Amino acid sequence: DAKTTQPTSMDCAEGRAANLPCNHSTISGNEYVYWYRQIHSQGPQYIIHGLKNNETNEMASLIITEDRKSSTLILPHATLRDTAVYYCIEKNGGGTSYGKLTFGQGTILTVHP
Amino acid sequence: NAGVTQTPKFQVLKTGQSMTLQCAQDMNHEYMSWYRQDPGMGLRLIHYSVGAGITDQGEVPNGYNVSRSTTEDFPLRLLSAAPSQTSVYFCASRRHGTDYNEQFFGPGTRLTVL
Repeated sequence: DAKTTQPTSMDCAEGRAANLPCNHSTISGNEYVYWYRQIHSQGPQYIIHGLKNNETNEMASLIITEDRKSSTLILPHATLRDTAVYYCIEKNGGGTSYGKLTFGQGTILTVHP
Repeated sequence: NAGVTQTPKFQVLKTGQSMTLQCAQDMNHEYMSWYRQDPGMGLRLIHYSVGAGITDQGEVPNGYNVSRSTTEDFPLRLLSAAPSQTSVYFCASRRHGTDYNEQFFGPGTRLTVL
């Protein structure tokens, strides 16, 4: 699984949208982009994933550029509980790589009152 | 469902001692794995299993053993603990197959080796 690049840290005001960027310029055609987050001292939590189309679920939206070299995770209305480390991960589709996740340093998102 | 459970939550060992970190899941997931997380770093894969009786090494397997005798349990054994194994250990599980991409993590075991 190739490496992704994320900013080390970001700040966001409570109630505003948090936009977390991720560069994955060497992503291959069969690799998905996954987002997980880790709230302090807890296990990572799955947020969302996508291949080439934009995706939305109850937690967030994922916007993937047309060339698939970068993506943005959007938390539409950030709350203090969204303060966490956010990991952007590339991996092959579910069955072929047996679910192995390669975690980088991630982005520390701090949501301020 | 309880999800993924890990015991103990905290453990302190002396160098050379052995112990087993327990991990269990009640979601009938085929795939289970162990990660370690050192301060300021992302998670690194230690060992994983795609089903009962099948295990394989991850990125940092040295010093750890695993076995998978049942679908539910995936214990991690430290045969002779070393200070370098001081870390937070996370167990995870997921369904196998392209339609089941979410990986569920346990709450972690915080291990200190003196």
